[in-house]
Amino acid sequence: DVKVTQSSRYLVKRTGEKVFLECVQDMDHENMFWYRQDPGLGLRLIYFSYDVKMKEKGDIPEGYSVSREKKERFSLILESASTNQTSMYLCASGQFKEQYFGPGTRLTVT
Amino acid sequence: AQSVAQPEDQVNVAEGNPLTVKCTYSVSGNPYLFWYVQYPNRGLQFLLKYITGDNLVKGSYGFEAEFNKSQTSFHLKKPSALVSDSALYFCAVSPASGGSYIPTFGRGTSLIVHP
Repeated sequence: DVKVTQSSRYLVKRTGEKVFLECVQDMDHENMFWYRQDPGLGLRLIYFSYDVKMKEKGDIPEGYSVSREKKERFSLILESASTNQTSMYLCASGQFKEQYFGPGTRLTVT
Repeated sequence: AQSVAQPEDQVNVAEGNPLTVKCTYSVSGNPYLFWYVQYPNRGLQFLLKYITGDNLVKGSYGFEAEFNKSQTSFHLKKPSALVSDSALYFCAVSPASGGSYIPTFGRGTSLIVHP
């Protein structure tokens, strides 16, 4: 079975802190994704990566950056956390247009 | 641009009754279509997909979905609902050729199955 893991299930950070969310997949997928999920808005794509060191902006990249130094690991970085970034963050990896999701990180910024 | 509509925010059904969760889509060319389920405080789990072939697709946990090209719909169905089916359901679409392979998700439908 495909396994996608995220470094934290719950995270509480203060406004202005730099936040790192880590995602690791074990299926050698080329494509990895970061989404945020908010009630009534569904899933919105923040960034995706189709290869090591390659990244593309999604629909809502503002306030976020990403890093992919190794194929299995895709990190989401909040340079200076703000309260409007309080959300559920979901990582996914995939091939051939099918995605596998991690358990999610519920981030609260106070 | 591709899009997905899930017209119902919430669907209520009694245990043992059939359930339907609706999805319509818009995409250039032929679609790839997906259903995912999310249980509370969990990530999304893949249920089923339509790529090509038979319009009726069978998936996990007894769910199935029917692809209707003329109505651009991909409704999720189950003949007999269980309380444990209560969850958030997402439909997604991506183009079968050309364009971006990134799927577009609907806003989700909360399914509540009453005992």
